[in-house]
Amino acid sequence: KAGVTQTPRYLIKTRGQQVTLSCSPISGHRSVSWYQQTPGQGLQFLFEYFSETQRNKGNFPGRFSGRQFSNSRSEMNVSTLELGDSALYLCASSGAAPVNTEAFFGQGTRLTVV
Amino acid sequence: KQEVTQIPAALSVPEGENLVLNCSFTDSAIYNLQWFRQDPGKGLTSLLLIQSSQREQTSGRLNASLDKSSGRSTLYIAASQPGDSATYLCAPSNTGNQFYFGTGTSLTVIP
Repeated sequence: KAGVTQTPRYLIKTRGQQVTLSCSPISGHRSVSWYQQTPGQGLQFLFEYFSETQRNKGNFPGRFSGRQFSNSRSEMNVSTLELGDSALYLCASSGAAPVNTEAFFGQGTRLTVV
Repeated sequence: KQEVTQIPAALSVPEGENLVLNCSFTDSAIYNLQWFRQDPGKGLTSLLLIQSSQREQTSGRLNASLDKSSGRSTLYIAASQPGDSATYLCAPSNTGNQFYFGTGTSLTVIP
């Protein structure tokens, strides 16, 4: 059974640009969550999608947005990139039930903003 | 807002020792709690999931306990090995599949 796939694995962008990250969950999983990991702030929740609907949202500016497609694949977009957006972005995939299922993480996308 | 604290922040032990990692959280109204390990620069690997109705969960050399009312969980690692070296993260979930993370315990097992 394939795991959670995140693409691309590495990205270098210039301040002011925008970027789109992709996450393909485990087959059959309907929940996808996104997290930002930085040395200073640790792991912080961005948002969660379940069946194409955003169910929860963390405390991030509106420059961070996401969506989920009918096949459960999810994308995360960051507009007007800032140096502080440099981080490891992780997505997590969870099962068919809306709550109480084990989460599996991808390997992450390392974003560097210069 | 859920706050998660993990103690100790770092731990270095000789191979073969049994060890305990501690996690405390401020909001006891959780659905479940999951333990993960993270190797440098990598994603998170799920170790154990404990539902709010459970008291403990075991997988191989790992045993995790949960005391929801006091807001505590412990991860017990038996007979530690160098391959266990990683950062260990506990993550309670209060809402859907949104997890809150502590800063983790960095474990080094010395051969």
